[in-house]
Amino acid sequence: GDSVTQMEGPVTLSEEAFLTINCTYTATGYPSLFWYVQYPGEGLQLLLKATKADDKGSNKGFEATYRKETTSFHLEKGSVQVSDSAVYFCALSDAGGTSYGKLTFGQGTILTVHP
Amino acid sequence: DVKVTQSSRYLVKRTGEKVFLECVQDMDHENMFWYRQDPGLGLRLIYFSYDVKMKEKGDIPEGYSVSREKKERFSLILESASTNQTSMYLCASSFTTSSYTFGSGTRLTVV
Repeated sequence: GDSVTQMEGPVTLSEEAFLTINCTYTATGYPSLFWYVQYPGEGLQLLLKATKADDKGSNKGFEATYRKETTSFHLEKGSVQVSDSAVYFCALSDAGGTSYGKLTFGQGTILTVHP
Repeated sequence: DVKVTQSSRYLVKRTGEKVFLECVQDMDHENMFWYRQDPGLGLRLIYFSYDVKMKEKGDIPEGYSVSREKKERFSLILESASTNQTSMYLCASSFTTSSYTFGSGTRLTVV
C-alpha cells in the first residue's frame, strides 16, 4: 500500500537558518503530494502541494518539488523564523481511479526555531 | 472558506462509555474522513465516506464505527471506549483528490 516516510525529528534551528525536512513516498499510482503544518493547539493547515511530477509547490517562503525519479518531496525554507515552530506533515493522496482520495501521512516532524 | 467544525475541543470519557464525535462541513463536499493523531505515528485513517450513507474502513477501524445520514455531517462512534483510544481525532472533508480541509480536532481522554 501507499506510505510516506519523513525525516526523524525533532529539528531545532536558530532563526534565519536553512531548513530541509526530507520526505519520500511509495505509491502505486500517480499521487498528489502535500505538506501540512500544525501550530500548537490547532488543526492541520495546508502549507503547499504539487499534483504532478516536477511541479513545485510554494507558500510563505517554503518550497517543495515533486520528484518522481527519487519519489521525494522534500520541504525547504531559506531562512526560518520563530513563528515557523510547528509540526510538519508530509502526505500523499492517491485516488487509484476513484473520485476520492485518502490522505496517507508521514509521522510528522517537530520543528523548533530559537531566536 | 470551507469550514469543518468539530463539536468538542476536549472530551473526557470513562472506559466502556459510548462516545460520539461530531463533524460538520459547510461546503457540500462529497468526501469526509476521520483520522486519529498520535505522537510519532502521524495521522492514521479510521473511516471515510464518499457519499451519504456510504462508509469505508480506513487503516485502523477496529473499535470504531461511523454514521453519515446527511451530507454535511459525519459522526465517529466509539462503541465502548477504551484507554488506548485516548488520542487527538481530526475530521476532514474534500471535494477533489487534491484539496482537503481539516477541523481543529477533538482531544479525547478515556479514563
